[in-house]
Amino acid sequence: GQNIDQPTEMTATEGAIVQINCTYQTSGFNGLFWYQQHAGEAPTFLSYNVLDGLEEKGRFSSFLSRSKGYSYLLLKELQMKDSASYLCAVRRRGSQGNLIFGKGTKLSVKP
Amino acid sequence: NAGVMQNPRHLVRRRGQEARLRCSPMKGHSHVYWYRQLPEEGLKFMVYLQKENIIDESGMPKERFSAEFPKEGPSILRIQQVVRGDSAAYFCASSPQGGAEAFFGQGTRLTVV
Repeated sequence: GQNIDQPTEMTATEGAIVQINCTYQTSGFNGLFWYQQHAGEAPTFLSYNVLDGLEEKGRFSSFLSRSKGYSYLLLKELQMKDSASYLCAVRRRGSQGNLIFGKGTKLSVKP
Repeated sequence: NAGVMQNPRHLVRRRGQEARLRCSPMKGHSHVYWYRQLPEEGLKFMVYLQKENIIDESGMPKERFSAEFPKEGPSILRIQQVVRGDSAAYFCASSPQGGAEAFFGQGTRLTVV
């Protein structure tokens, strides 16, 4: 079967750095996605990793270790608008593109 | 270029009625995915469609739920004889090809009373 775990909630301070971890167990791994979802809004794409290593995109970076079944999303220079849920999702080989989502991590950024 | 459009944004149905949720993919996208999100739960895959074809419906409940993506017009997720447990947010996503980054719509929030 498949399982994706990420912390339920996190709190951080404006201007700080926060790391949101995601561990997964799945057969036929074929890529990991991170999405941001503000309350009542659509998930928006943040990053995609299929090979080991770090992908950097502005204030956001995502890391993947396939051997450990582990990824993290790193947010730098936190802003109040970063308060949202962050969804980790895995794609399986042969799944034709559909994603398996974790329950999401609700991040609260405090002044 | 408009994003993925879903309507209605909010839908209230009485138990036993039918619910029809519509999704127009982004221009140039021919792959559509439907997901359901229950409160405090993650997004759960339901069905993956291309024009006139159901590619993967492994996440669809066996009864009362159906989906289509006709040659012309939006994709439709249809729920017959709704029950309270169907209350959820239903999101549609589209991509230009299978496996590419998927763009999500704003969702339809279904409430069954």
